[in-house]
Amino acid sequence: SQTIHQWPATLVQPVGSPLSLECTVEGTSNPNLYWYRQAAGRGLQLLFYSVGIGQISSEVPQNLSASRPQDRQFILSSKKLLLSDSGFYLCAWSPMGLGSPLHFGNGTRLTVT
Amino acid sequence: AQKITQTQPGMFVQEKEAVTLDCTYDTSDPSYGLFWYKQPSSGEMIFLIYQGSYDQQNATEGRYSLNFQKARKSANLVISASQLGDSAMYFCAMRGTVGNTPLVFGKGTRLSVIA
Repeated sequence: SQTIHQWPATLVQPVGSPLSLECTVEGTSNPNLYWYRQAAGRGLQLLFYSVGIGQISSEVPQNLSASRPQDRQFILSSKKLLLSDSGFYLCAWSPMGLGSPLHFGNGTRLTVT
Repeated sequence: AQKITQTQPGMFVQEKEAVTLDCTYDTSDPSYGLFWYKQPSSGEMIFLIYQGSYDQQNATEGRYSLNFQKARKSANLVISASQLGDSAMYFCAMRGTVGNTPLVFGKGTRLSVIA
């Protein structure tokens, strides 16, 4: 069966520090991968998605970036965090197909101080 | 582009009663998929149910059913026999024709089940 791992679970970082969140998927190949952010009490905002190695689509201009160095690895990064980057970050994967649901990791709660 | 609207920020329901969570959508795609997710206080996103735009019957999964009205562009989630464990945020989402596109989510409805 397929599993998705996302870490760390919580993170407290000072403003201006770098960020690296990692997500890996097991038990499938060539998944579609996604990064979403959820502000407190709000809906999910799509940040990036990838349909293959090295292919990244960005939905929102910001100081975040994403990379997919391997088929089942998706990394969210920032060189300098802002206070507004605080939130709950969720990684997800899905197979191809209109009816394929996204399967989410457990999320990373990021607090920028 | 797709848009999801959930107009109920919060809902209360008595235990063992049924509840309907509203969702309307907007898209110009000829075919699309509609999804519902549950997010407990732990933060995990749990997939509940899927409805394809060309499906002839409304989707059902256990106590969850989707009241799909294509002409009205609505995809309401019905939870029967509510349980205390159903208390959570519920998100409606959709995806357009091309299978690789991400899901677009609504802002969610917080459901509280009262004993």
